[in-house]
Amino acid sequence: DVKVTQSSRYLVKRTGEKVFLECVQDMDHENMFWYRQDPGLGLRLIYFSYDVKMKEKGDIPEGYSVSREKKERFSLILESASTNQTSMYLCASSRGTAGDQPQHFGDGTRLSIL
Amino acid sequence: AQSVTQLDSHVSVSEGTPVLLRCNYSSSYSPSLFWYVQHPNKGLQLLLKYTSAATLVKGINGFEAEFKKSETSFHLTKPSAHMSDAAEYFCVVSRVFDMRFGAGTRLTVKP
Repeated sequence: DVKVTQSSRYLVKRTGEKVFLECVQDMDHENMFWYRQDPGLGLRLIYFSYDVKMKEKGDIPEGYSVSREKKERFSLILESASTNQTSMYLCASSRGTAGDQPQHFGDGTRLSIL
Repeated sequence: AQSVTQLDSHVSVSEGTPVLLRCNYSSSYSPSLFWYVQHPNKGLQLLLKYTSAATLVKGINGFEAEFKKSETSFHLTKPSAHMSDAAEYFCVVSRVFDMRFGAGTRLTVKP
């Protein structure tokens, strides 16, 4: 069965720390995505990647960076964590380029920045 | 540009009664449309998708949705609600790498 695994379910960090969120998929999907989810705002795209070492900014990339060194792994990096980055972070993967394939989601990482 | 509007932030039904979750979309192209469900502390799970084949799409757990181009709508329905359907539901419009999520509808099912 399709599997997207996020390394942590819950994470607590301090303001100014560098934070790494990891995501691994086992479906050989070309595309991987990072979203943040906040009440009343739905999901907002931070970054996505359509191939190894390739990345594209989403709607809210400020304060974040990503890394994709291997096809199955996509990392989200908070360079200097701030309290407004407290949120639920969701990773997803998908196949193809036409946008007609569904995304498969991990269970999310609930990140608190103190 | 694409966008999606879920017309109700919260819907409450009694167990055994029909469910209707409303979604309108805007797109300059012929988009793909999806409904996802999210249970508490879980990721999103695909319920169904429309990709320009039949306008009535059947999904998992008895849900279905009808694509109406003239009304730019993609409403989600189920004939009889079950307690396990209580969750948040997201309508999504997608083309190439531009995927837009609605703000979500929280479905409550009363016994």
